[in-house]
Amino acid sequence: DAGVTQSPTHLIKTRGQQVTLRCSPISGHKSVSWYQQVLGQGPQFIFQYYEKEERGRGNFPDRFSARQFPNYSSELNVNALLLGDSALYLCASSPRTGPFSNQPQHFGDGTRLSIL
Amino acid sequence: SQKIEQNSEALNIQEGKTATLTCNYTNYSPAYLQWYRQDPGRGPVFLLLIRENEKEKRKERLKVTFDTTLKQSLFHITASQPADSATYLCALPDKDNYGQNFVFGPGTRLSVLP
Repeated sequence: DAGVTQSPTHLIKTRGQQVTLRCSPISGHKSVSWYQQVLGQGPQFIFQYYEKEERGRGNFPDRFSARQFPNYSSELNVNALLLGDSALYLCASSPRTGPFSNQPQHFGDGTRLSIL
Repeated sequence: SQKIEQNSEALNIQEGKTATLTCNYTNYSPAYLQWYRQDPGRGPVFLLLIRENEKEKRKERLKVTFDTTLKQSLFHITASQPADSATYLCALPDKDNYGQNFVFGPGTRLSVLP
């Protein structure tokens, strides 16, 4: 079975531009989460979606938005890019969600975003 | 919100020895805790989950302990091999978001020397 796939793998943008990152979860997984990982740090939670609804939001500005489609794939949008947005953006899927559902997250290999 | 510390940024050990990595959290005790492995340029890969009522969990050469009194988890790799070299992350469910997301530690970069 295919794992979590993310596209593109690498992206270079300039300050002020907008970017859309895409994620396809593992087949049958309905929950998708997005994380930002800056070099040398652990992943930091941005959003979680389940059944096309936002179920969690991290401490990120409104420039960050996301959505989930009927096929459970997801997009992360970032507007007005800043130099500090340079990071690895990770998508993770799991079969379901719920308070403290003790499931592992299945991660893709991320999109490396560089802002010039 | 939860804050996680992992013992050191980098750990070098000799092949065949046991590597011990530490994860300390500062706030509430979570219902469970997870450990992940991350290789350079790749996403994290799930290794083990341990629940608050479990003291120890094993999987092949891996062993995890969970002490809610100390607010600490230890991750052991026995008979370490160069292929175990990677960054290891601990993660806890975030109570502020009703456990819908995870809080990750900064990771420990393990190097197993031949």
